[in-house]
Amino acid sequence: SDVLTQPPSVSVAPGKTARITCGGNNIGSKSVHWYQQKPGQAPVLVIYYDSDRPSGIPERFSGSNSGNTATLTINRVEAGDEADYHCQVWESNSHHVVFGGGTKLTVL
Amino acid sequence: EVQLVESGGGLVQPGGSLRLSCAASGFRFSSYEMNWVRQAPGKGLEWVSYITSSGSTIYYADSVKGRFTISRDNAKNSLYLQMNSLRAEDTAVYYCARKTVTWFDYWGQGTQVIVSS
Repeated sequence: SDVLTQPPSVSVAPGKTARITCGGNNIGSKSVHWYQQKPGQAPVLVIYYDSDRPSGIPERFSGSNSGNTATLTINRVEAGDEADYHCQVWESNSHHVVFGGGTKLTVL
Repeated sequence: EVQLVESGGGLVQPGGSLRLSCAASGFRFSSYEMNWVRQAPGKGLEWVSYITSSGSTIYYADSVKGRFTISRDNAKNSLYLQMNSLRAEDTAVYYCARKTVTWFDYWGQGTQVIVSS
């Protein structure tokens, strides 16, 4: 199975840009999806197909994916963005789902 | 409005069994592939199992294979997870999640499972 590696934590000041990475062997050849999870709540999809945003997700959220790293970028970070963020891929060969370990975003 | 509501969680002794349910509404349940995903306390998300819309194809994570059984009743708009031979490491919040293409677009609020003596 794929292993997806995320930094345990990222800190950013309000109004700045946060970048959360998801590393994996040749992850650029796969579609990566991102979820936001606030304490005590279920995950919410924020990015799918590497860089597409579901309706209702602010344009401040964007994604990219190339080589061995996918990145979730949050521009003009707000206090309400503080949450855990999880990356995810679907392994087409095994039909298994793989999640990264999650990254806690702290807004300073 | 799409809704997924899990139930059936609780406290169970090691080696015991539990059956989780997920009631779906607000969409054509029989057209969607469904999954169970869990999250141990303070940990990340872990995929548990997948079932096609008809129920004809099923996959499991290695950690639960042989112990857990996923099923669905499209007439009742319900998804199930039968969990046997439970271990302490199965302690987690269990979510049902609707799959669209290769991602999960809707999640339930989860049901807590605690395996402890």
